[in-house]
Amino acid sequence: KAGVTQTPRYLIKTRGQQVTLSCSPISGHRSVSWYQQTPGQGLQFLFEYFSETQRNKGNFPGRFSGRQFSNSRSEMNVSTLELGDSALYLCASSEGHMNTEAFFGQGTRLTVV
Amino acid sequence: GENVEQHPSTLSVQEGDSAVIKCTYSDSASNYFPWYKQELGKRPQLIIDIRSNVGEKKDQRIAVTLNKTAKHFSLHITETQPEDSAVYFCAASDDYKLSFGAGTTVTVRA
Repeated sequence: KAGVTQTPRYLIKTRGQQVTLSCSPISGHRSVSWYQQTPGQGLQFLFEYFSETQRNKGNFPGRFSGRQFSNSRSEMNVSTLELGDSALYLCASSEGHMNTEAFFGQGTRLTVV
Repeated sequence: GENVEQHPSTLSVQEGDSAVIKCTYSDSASNYFPWYKQELGKRPQLIIDIRSNVGEKKDQRIAVTLNKTAKHFSLHITETQPEDSAVYFCAASDDYKLSFGAGTTVTVRA
């Protein structure tokens, strides 16, 4: 079974630009969640999608948005990038509810210059 | 919302000794408590988890305990080995959100 795949692995963007990150979950998994990881801050929850519906959202500004497609693949978009958005963005997939094992992708390293 | 606090932030142990990491959570609705290990440059991976109807769970050298009344849970690693060096994250989850602690960097000294 293929694992969770995130693309691209690395991105360098300029302040003010926007970026779209992609996450393909494990086959059969319907829940995809997104996290921002920065040194010393751990993993901060961004949002979670299940069957194309956002079920929960973390405390991030509206510049951060996401969506999920009918095949469970998910995208995350960040508009008007700021230097502080530089981080590792991880997605995780699970079978259903968030009280089951979440499998993480390798992450997308975003650098904003 | 859920708030998970994790201590200590760094932990250095001699090979063969035990390591203990403690976490507290705030939301009594949380019912699932996983622990993830993240090695340098790699993705977080689940090492053990416990549900709210269980007080303790063990898997070889790793054990987790949960005190629902006090809202805290702990990870115990016995007979530590160099390959146990990593960042460990605790988390608490209800059905829709997984909230992580800030992480503990564990270094096992040979």
